[in-house]
Amino acid sequence: QSALTQPASVSGSPGQSITISCTGTSTDVGGYNYVSWYQQHPGKAPKLMIYDVSKRPSGVSNRFSGSKSGNTASLTISGLQTEDEADYYCCSYTSATSVVFGGGTKLTVL
Amino acid sequence: EVQLVESGGGLVQPGGSLRLACEASGFTFSSYWMHWVRQAPGKGLVWLSHINSAETSTTYADSVKGRFTISRDNAKSTLYLQMNGLRADDTAVYYCARGGNYNWNPFDYWGQGALVTVSS
Repeated sequence: QSALTQPASVSGSPGQSITISCTGTSTDVGGYNYVSWYQQHPGKAPKLMIYDVSKRPSGVSNRFSGSKSGNTASLTISGLQTEDEADYYCCSYTSATSVVFGGGTKLTVL
Repeated sequence: EVQLVESGGGLVQPGGSLRLACEASGFTFSSYWMHWVRQAPGKGLVWLSHINSAETSTTYADSVKGRFTISRDNAKSTLYLQMNGLRADDTAVYYCARGGNYNWNPFDYWGQGALVTVSS
């Protein structure tokens, strides 16, 4: 099972919006509405930010939103803040091995 | 408050074994799927294995199948990962994570991680 494809890095200025893509196949991202996104700051455990493509857990800012089209899911962060600088990972249920992560995207807030 | 605390990490020689434990508190452990995820130094997250609430279903990533065994003790609210035949590329921080009532549910709580270093 290959990892989902994410851009290695994205950047934006405070206040701007950015979008991180996550491309899979019809056996994972495209086949199920079970895509989640995790934020990880250096040296810390990952934190759930989005689940079931577009749902936000309690306590997560509404600046974070998720969507999906075909085999590609996306995470959008609006009104970028310096504390958003982190690594972001997408994750999908897959018919192959049950769970697969993306390779991760480093977000830099300039 | 939900807490997951891993233990058992450390330095082990290639070919050796190690057992990680993840002690859970703050929720009804026996009701949730549980997972192990690892992260090699400077690399991304990799899902390793999961186990259902009743310990009747387990699944493994190809990279650890046949070498690692996931198990749980619901009476002790503890998740385990027995790792045998360790290799240098198993060096990583190992996280336990809580799933949901189904294997497709997201990981809503994570432990702090346990570092496993495989080296001679």
